[in-house]
Amino acid sequence: DIQMTQSPSSLSASVGDRVTITCRASQSISTYLNWYQQKQGKAPKVLIYAASSLQSGVPSRFTGSGSGTDFTLSISSLQAEDFATYYCQQSYSTPRTFGQGTKVEMK
Amino acid sequence: QVQLVQSGSELKKPGASVKVSCKASGYTFTSYAINWLRQAPGQGLEWMGWINTNTGIPTYAQGFTGRFVFSLDTSVSTAYLQISSLKAEDTAVYSCARDTYYYDTSGYKYYFDYWGQGTLVTVSS
Repeated sequence: DIQMTQSPSSLSASVGDRVTITCRASQSISTYLNWYQQKQGKAPKVLIYAASSLQSGVPSRFTGSGSGTDFTLSISSLQAEDFATYYCQQSYSTPRTFGQGTKVEMK
Repeated sequence: QVQLVQSGSELKKPGASVKVSCKASGYTFTSYAINWLRQAPGQGLEWMGWINTNTGIPTYAQGFTGRFVFSLDTSVSTAYLQISSLKAEDTAVYSCARDTYYYDTSGYKYYFDYWGQGTLVTVSS
């Protein structure tokens, strides 16, 4: 199975901050990488697919980059509604594995 | 609009069975696969497997064979997850998610574009 490792596991930030979350795959997955946002008690929502493609309706402050084993999700200017947990997930092979999550909390 | 609506929370005793439903609307049910995912309390997301809504053929991730069964009723655009011989460690939120893909020169890149709201299954004596 492909292991996905996110860092950090949590971070504290303020509205307006730039936030970067990294995700590393245990083997090369090309750009078969998706990012999801999950708010407390809610279903996850896809933000970025295929490493860098912005899902329709997602604000442009979210960007994804990377290929191979190293990926990043960036939020250019954190908004109040962005405090949530973020997961990366690979779709290169089954089982489709997720990172352990990064919780973005208010400083 | 696309919606996946799941059945409500369940409280079951160890050894019992549960069946969770996921009713799709707003699109052609048989055009997209349905995945099942588990999230234990305070934990991350775990992919359980998927079911081909055209053929009804399920694929299970390791750790979800034997007691877990995916099924369909295409006449009502509904997918089901049945868990038998429930254990306390099965306590989790179970979610269905629609599979879609983006095609580029390096292949088909699948992702989950719509999710059900999740069903909490609690196993306790």
